Amino acid sequence: AQSVAQPEDQVNVAEGNPLTVKCTYSVSGNPYLFWYVQYPNRGLQFLLKYITGDNLVKGSYGFEAEFNKSQTSFHLKKPSALVSDSALYFCAVRDLYNAGNMLTFGGGTRLMVKP
Amino acid sequence: EPEVTQTPSHQVTQMGQEVILRCVPISNHLYFYWYRQILGQKVEFLVSFYNNEISEKSEIFDDQFSVERPDGSNFTLKIRSTKLEDSAMYFCASSPRGRGSTDTQYFGPGTRLTVL
Repeated sequence: AQSVAQPEDQVNVAEGNPLTVKCTYSVSGNPYLFWYVQYPNRGLQFLLKYITGDNLVKGSYGFEAEFNKSQTSFHLKKPSALVSDSALYFCAVRDLYNAGNMLTFGGGTRLMVKP
Repeated sequence: EPEVTQTPSHQVTQMGQEVILRCVPISNHLYFYWYRQILGQKVEFLVSFYNNEISEKSEIFDDQFSVERPDGSNFTLKIRSTKLEDSAMYFCASSPRGRGSTDTQYFGPGTRLTVL
C-alpha cells in the first residue's frame, strides 16, 4: 500500500520569506513523487516531480522539492514567497512498479502568503 | 499549452438519477483517469483507462460507475444511480503513457457534482 501525509493543514508565510510545505510518504517499492497546486476554481496543476537522480528537484514558478529517502520526505520549498503563491498544495506518490498508474494524494496544505 | 477540459463545471442532480461527466483529455495522450475529492477529504483514485479498456480501478469504482471513450476526443464517467455520498469534485486526468512509465498526469479543472 502507498500513502502520503501532509502534517500541516495550513502554512502562513510573509511575502519575501522562504516557505516549506511538508510531505512524507510510504511505498513498498520505488517512490515516484509529485507536487500539484490548486488555485480557486482551477484543477490540479503540476509543479514538479521526482523520479530518480538528484535529490533536489526544480519545478515551475521557482518551486523546488527535496527528496530524502531516509526520512521518506519530499518537502516543497521556495526561497522567497509571493502573495500569488497562496493556494492549496498537494503531494502525491506513485509506486512506480507495484501500483500501476494510481496516484495517492495527501490531504493538501493551504499556503497563505501575506503581504 | 494543451489542457484537459471538463464539462459541466457544476452538476446538480436528484438522488437515484444517472449523471454523465465529460472530459476531453490532451490530444496525444493515451491514458485517462478519473479521481474524486469529497469535500474536506483527500483526492482519491477511481479508475484508469487505456486502449478502450479499464486498466485499473479502485474499490470505490463499483458497478454504479462506468467509463467510456465514445469518440476520438471525449472520455466520460457515468454514475448510474447517484447517491448522496457521490457528491464530490470529480477530476479527469490524462498522461501520454501509463503503467511503468514516468509520465506526469495532467488534471482538468473538475466537475462539482451535488446530489440532492
